Amino acid sequence: AQSVTQLDSQVPVFEEAPVELRCNYSSSVSVYLFWYVQYPNQGLQLLLKYLSGSTLVESINGFEAEFNKSQTSFHLRKPSVHISDTAEYFCAVSSPGGYQKVTFGTGTKLQVIP
Amino acid sequence: NAGVMQNPRHLVRRRGQEARLRCSPMKGHSHVYWYRQLPEEGLKFMVYLQKENIIDESGMPKERFSAEFPKEGPSILRIQQVVRGDSAAYFCASSRADRGDYNEQFFGPGTRLTVL
Repeated sequence: AQSVTQLDSQVPVFEEAPVELRCNYSSSVSVYLFWYVQYPNQGLQLLLKYLSGSTLVESINGFEAEFNKSQTSFHLRKPSVHISDTAEYFCAVSSPGGYQKVTFGTGTKLQVIP
Repeated sequence: NAGVMQNPRHLVRRRGQEARLRCSPMKGHSHVYWYRQLPEEGLKFMVYLQKENIIDESGMPKERFSAEFPKEGPSILRIQQVVRGDSAAYFCASSRADRGDYNEQFFGPGTRLTVL
């Protein structure tokens, strides 16, 4: 069985400040890792993913996450946040194979303060 | 290419009524997944379907819930005799047929069910 832990339910941060959203996972097999973003009353959008290769992955809007196998973590970071980054962020895990049953964390609400 | 479509976006039912949630996958996608998001919680897997087949329903409540994905038409998640605890956002995702190790799931906007 797989599980994902997002310890921070809410993270307030001032605009242009850096942010880190923490994610730890548990799995007995190899993993794929994801970060999804959900804006109010909308569906989930894939922000970035780790499948294999380089442990540092980046999104087009300045977010990055690093897969750390020894610490079973996949923290999300951004050096300077914008108001438009205010949303809920979900970390998720699945495993290689044609059918990926994705397991989600409970989410972290990022609130960017002007 | 339209994304995953879900309707209705908002659904209000009284206790004991039936709720039918529809999901049209992206063009070219033959796999559908349903997830439920309870207030203040993450998404929980419910069921995975391919055309005319239920592949994995391990996350579905044993009673009152059913899902189908017919050869023609959208996938339907059906909740009979709804109770207040069924109030949640229900998300559908779709992906292509199995291709190698990774098949990205694309999510719809969700249906928000409120049971009075």
